[in-house]
Amino acid sequence: SQQGEEDPQALSIQEGENATMNCSYKTSINNLQWYRQNSGRGLVHLILIRSNEREKHSGRLRVTLDTSKKSSSLLITASRAADTASYFCATDQPNSGGYQKVTFGTGTKLQVIP
Amino acid sequence: ETGVTQTPRHLVMGMTNKKSLKCEQHLGHNAMYWYKQSAKKPLELMFVYSLEERVENNSVPSRFSPECPNSSHLFLHLHTLQPEDSALYLCASSQDPWRSNEKLFFGSGTQLSVL
Repeated sequence: SQQGEEDPQALSIQEGENATMNCSYKTSINNLQWYRQNSGRGLVHLILIRSNEREKHSGRLRVTLDTSKKSSSLLITASRAADTASYFCATDQPNSGGYQKVTFGTGTKLQVIP
Repeated sequence: ETGVTQTPRHLVMGMTNKKSLKCEQHLGHNAMYWYKQSAKKPLELMFVYSLEERVENNSVPSRFSPECPNSSHLFLHLHTLQPEDSALYLCASSQDPWRSNEKLFFGSGTQLSVL
């Protein structure tokens, strides 16, 4: 079943602007991750935030996590044309099998216009 | 290059064909995964293998048959598929599926079209 849901579904911005994508999820999580996917390719891991963390930075990426609202946001600052891709949040939630079960949302399609 | 290689990149097959997708990881990981990505749908987890043992079969129809002969190789055998099975099939690996906070490494996927 779907766990994460990204918002907006699509986003178009000018190069140099900031891009913000949001993710909401339904059940408790161990961590939340963000992945990027270029068209027709595999997903690439960007950043992981643990359930006991509230904010994390990596280069031009800033991720926040609000477990009380079951939501996360991904901010890309000073966007570049090369940032054009789909971005997915993924949650790793506890499950009866004990193994890591990572489930993904539908993604936000970001277009950065040069 | 993520260290996970999938072949073929594209596959067109008829509903009566039998074909196989191959995945190989060069990362020394212990877990491998198959995901299905259809247009406008979330990625669907299909199968999870840990050290060649299947630990998850996410209600996948029997026309999809996974095989994991060793921790570096994963196959998805396909037979009598339906047109709605057309999708991008992604393989992924991780170091240890029993440990939280692990990131997944994905291959580039096989774009499958069923005619």
